[in-house]
Amino acid sequence: KAGVTQTPRYLIKTRGQQVTLSCSPISGHRSVSWYQQTPGQGLQFLFEYFSETQRNKGNFPGRFSGRQFSNSRSEMNVSTLELGDSALYLCASSLARGGGTGANVLTFGAGSRLTVL
Amino acid sequence: GQQVMQIPQYQHVQEGEDFTTYCNSSTTLSNIQWYKQRPGGHPVFLIQLVKSGEVKKQKRLTFQFGEAKKNSSLHITATQTTDVGTYFCADNTGGFKTIFGAGTRLFVKA
Repeated sequence: KAGVTQTPRYLIKTRGQQVTLSCSPISGHRSVSWYQQTPGQGLQFLFEYFSETQRNKGNFPGRFSGRQFSNSRSEMNVSTLELGDSALYLCASSLARGGGTGANVLTFGAGSRLTVL
Repeated sequence: GQQVMQIPQYQHVQEGEDFTTYCNSSTTLSNIQWYKQRPGGHPVFLIQLVKSGEVKKQKRLTFQFGEAKKNSSLHITATQTTDVGTYFCADNTGGFKTIFGAGTRLFVKA
């Protein structure tokens, strides 16, 4: 079956612009999580969605937002881009939370690499 | 808050040597997961440990969960160049989020 698909894979923006990243989870996976990965900060949790509801969020400013659609696809948006937002943004899907020992295993997409100039 | 500490940050080994990375938490974990990220790639799930004192093996990889469920380790026997990458432990005890350790980057010299 198809894996987690993230688009675009690479993008370059300038400071002050906004960006939208897309994630299509594995078919049947209803939970989508987003992470920011930078060399200095590792994998930082952004937010998690399940059935179109944000169930948890990390410590990021309000410029970072997301949403999930009824088909479980998810988007994240970063507004007013800053240089420090340059990172690899990873999306991961899982079956569901609390649905058995394997239900919370994350399957990651290849990521969207954002460069802010 | 929810946090897992992972050491070492980097490890350089000669091919054939063993490698171990450690993960520690100040709170009791419901389970611990391990992921591997190859250079230029994305994290890939390796294993999940749930029971106190659990030990699981995958070929040359041995995973342990501490008796108090506050620490875990990943040990690789006789490393190979294919083992290079960053190994992350991860905790999803906190509810609806999985928190990753900082990772241990493994370098293997042939």
